[in-house]
Amino acid sequence: KQEVTQIPAALSVPEGENLVLNCSFTDSAIYNLQWFRQDPGKGLTSLLLIQSSQREQTSGRLNASLDKSSGRSTLYIAASQPGDSATYLCAVRVGTASKLTFGTGTRLQVTL
Amino acid sequence: GAGVSQSPSNKVTEKGKDVELRCDPISGHTALYWYRQSLGQGLEFLIYFQGNSAPDKSGLPSDRFSAERTGGSVSTLTIQRTQQEDSAVYLCASSLSKAGELFFGEGSRLTVL
Repeated sequence: KQEVTQIPAALSVPEGENLVLNCSFTDSAIYNLQWFRQDPGKGLTSLLLIQSSQREQTSGRLNASLDKSSGRSTLYIAASQPGDSATYLCAVRVGTASKLTFGTGTRLQVTL
Repeated sequence: GAGVSQSPSNKVTEKGKDVELRCDPISGHTALYWYRQSLGQGLEFLIYFQGNSAPDKSGLPSDRFSAERTGGSVSTLTIQRTQQEDSAVYLCASSLSKAGELFFGEGSRLTVL
């Protein structure tokens, strides 16, 4: 059974800092991995999708890496802003016709 | 539509009543998912539809829960004889292909009194 862990559970940083969020998964035979953000009381917003054949994906100030062999992904946020404050979730898919398994998220607060 | 649409956004019901939650996926998306998010908990998979294939119902917590997807588009999640532990946010997502990027709706918040 695939298990996804995100550490830390919560993180507070001052504006302008670069930061890294971690995601670990137990079954390395994944098909793809997706990062989301969730604002309070809202649905999930897709940030990045990494296929198993890729090592990283970039979108603006966000960069996600994938190391299948070690069962890890990281989300790097450059020059953090207060608007980045949200809960960040990673989710992995094992097969092409299966569900995503989610981690419990990292709650990020970026302070002025 | 532009995004995944869910209704109602909020539903308060009495224990024992039946409820229906609706999801309208992004036009052309063949895959549709239902997840549940309880207060302080992670996302729990409920059911997955892909095209004309038999749905993956492995996440439905009991036989009080059912879902259908008509014409490969709109989906309805039905909860019969609601219990207080059913209180949660029910999230729907769709993707263009069976292993593609998921896009979520805003969710339906269900409160069972």
